[in-house]
Amino acid sequence: KNEVEQSPQNLTAQEGEFITINCSYSVGISALHWLQQHPGGGIVSLFMLSSGKKKHGRLIATINIQEKHSSLHITASHPRDSAVYICAAMEYGNKLVFGAGTILRVKS
Amino acid sequence: GAGVSQTPSNKVTEKGKYVELRCDPISGHTALYWYRQSLGQGPEFLIYFQGTGAADDSGLPNDRFFAVRPEGSVSTLKIQRTERGDSAVYLCASSLKGQNTEAFFGQGTRLTVV
Repeated sequence: KNEVEQSPQNLTAQEGEFITINCSYSVGISALHWLQQHPGGGIVSLFMLSSGKKKHGRLIATINIQEKHSSLHITASHPRDSAVYICAAMEYGNKLVFGAGTILRVKS
Repeated sequence: GAGVSQTPSNKVTEKGKYVELRCDPISGHTALYWYRQSLGQGPEFLIYFQGTGAADDSGLPNDRFFAVRPEGSVSTLKIQRTERGDSAVYLCASSLKGQNTEAFFGQGTRLTVV
């Protein structure tokens, strides 16, 4: 079993839909990252959170430390949101443990 | 620099050859990480530097892989006797202090071993 599990693996949505990507982890963490990766592109950090909720534009990330679960939400999705979204748990030893990623495609 | 810079962006090498991949982190960032991402998978940890020293090298797959950061800024990942299975995107990230500080990623070096 992977230490960081994401679901779904693939997600196709219609423009405007509300999107949720889930992440569960089994390791002890100091923080959790949500990252975005475009095809052929590098990785961009969207959020780093250790408790509660953060919002940036149409993106919202939440984390429940007790349940070891985090979600990334995208409101009013747009085709430019199409990318791979990766959840990464920062262990207390500082290294990131990555999920396999969720491939999101938003159709217009 | 403004961001994490990795060179080269693409590298094709023959099996058995030696390669060096370079990472130039954000100025002032003491923590530097190397990850490897195979096609269709999430990145996997290789090594973490805090300053000049490797604080955690537990992700290096075998002794063909080695990384240095002699002056606490630029890092070089070295792979000896490359194998086709080493083909992947090698990602570098840096953060201000490491623990609980945001990581910034480079664009990666795509290594293809033929």
